[in-house]
Amino acid sequence: DAGVTQSPTHLIKTRGQQVTLRCSPKSGHDTVSWYQQALGQGPQFIFQYYEEEERQRGNFPDRFSGHQFPNYSSELNVNALLLGDSALYLCASSLLRTGTFYNEQFFGPGTRLTVL
Amino acid sequence: SQQGEEDPQALSIQEGENATMNCSYKTSINNLQWYRQNSGRGLVHLILIRSNEREKHSGRLRVTLDTSKKSSSLLITASRAADTASYFCAPGTGGFKTIFGAGTRLFVKA
Repeated sequence: DAGVTQSPTHLIKTRGQQVTLRCSPKSGHDTVSWYQQALGQGPQFIFQYYEEEERQRGNFPDRFSGHQFPNYSSELNVNALLLGDSALYLCASSLLRTGTFYNEQFFGPGTRLTVL
Repeated sequence: SQQGEEDPQALSIQEGENATMNCSYKTSINNLQWYRQNSGRGLVHLILIRSNEREKHSGRLRVTLDTSKKSSSLLITASRAADTASYFCAPGTGGFKTIFGAGTRLFVKA
């Protein structure tokens, strides 16, 4: 049973470019969340997708957008890259269960994005 | 969900010693989770403790929760070099996002 997978592993872009990161959730999971982790910091919540819709969003500009496909996989898109977007981008999947008060998340290994 | 604050920021110990790290939060919670992150990699869920629990064990891990003090601690007993990682707490009020603090960086020297 594959866990959460992310691609690519590493990516180098230049300022102003656009980037797309991909995530495949753990088998059986239907919810995908994205996090940005700057060096030496904790992960910061970007947004979460369920049923192909954005359910919640953190404090990130509109340059950050996402998509979830019918097979529950997800993409994170970042436009007009800035130097400050350099970070580890983590994807986490979970199974939405109604009536429970928390959903355990399983994290992928991350994509290391460097913006030059 | 709300952000937890981990303390200390960094901790260096010898292999075989115990490591204790603390987490404080501000408002009422219904659960608190601890995660581990090895250098530059994804996070691994370690343990969840509910607000009506005071202590929970998992292998060499012991988590306590004091809701009156709005704090939790993670104890790793008989530490190993492989325990070197960053540890994050995540206080939860239900909902679907997890908010992380800056974490505690644990260094276990062989």
